[in-house]
Amino acid sequence: NAGVTQTPKFQVLKTGQSMTLQCAQDMNHNSMYWYRQDPGMGLRLIYYSASEGTTDKGEVPNGYNVSRLNKREFSLRLESAAPSQTSVYFCASNWRTDTQYFGPGTRLTVL
Amino acid sequence: QKEVEQDPGPLSVPEGAIVSLNCTYSNSAFQYFMWYRQYSRKGPELLMYTYSSGNKEDGRFTAQVDKSSKYISLFIRDSQPSDSATYLCAMDYGQNFVFGPGTRLSVLP
Repeated sequence: NAGVTQTPKFQVLKTGQSMTLQCAQDMNHNSMYWYRQDPGMGLRLIYYSASEGTTDKGEVPNGYNVSRLNKREFSLRLESAAPSQTSVYFCASNWRTDTQYFGPGTRLTVL
Repeated sequence: QKEVEQDPGPLSVPEGAIVSLNCTYSNSAFQYFMWYRQYSRKGPELLMYTYSSGNKEDGRFTAQVDKSSKYISLFIRDSQPSDSATYLCAMDYGQNFVFGPGTRLSVLP
């Protein structure tokens, strides 16, 4: 089992460009999450999907959109990137509230 | 006031020391309490979780929860250089996970 995988690992964008971060899990989990991690701020929830076909906003959803493509895949889209979106992005999944499995992260820099 | 507060460190200890990592929280709705370990440039990995007040032990790690004081701790006994990482506390009710900012720990050989 690969667990939670994320692509790409690194990305540099110019202000205004768009991109999609991909996440997939092979653990048959119902719930999937997108977080961003910034120094001194901890992990902040952007969006989550409790089950296939549903998505909900987290703490910091502005500037992002998500798609739960199927049970395995949950993508995060930046339509018009801004320097404030420079961060490390983590995808996670679980089927119980007590255990989240995280991917390796995507390091995004917006110039 | 943030929902979850955690001393950001960094914390440096000699090998073999007992380490105490702490978090306080303000939301009494939190039901699950977790500790994650995050190595540099890696994703967080779950170390321990607990549901109720009291202690939970797993090898060299002990998680302690005091709901009346809204305070949780992680103790690491006989700390090793391989324990050097950032430790994140996390709390949850329903699907709402809230993480502390993390404490960076260095265990010096």
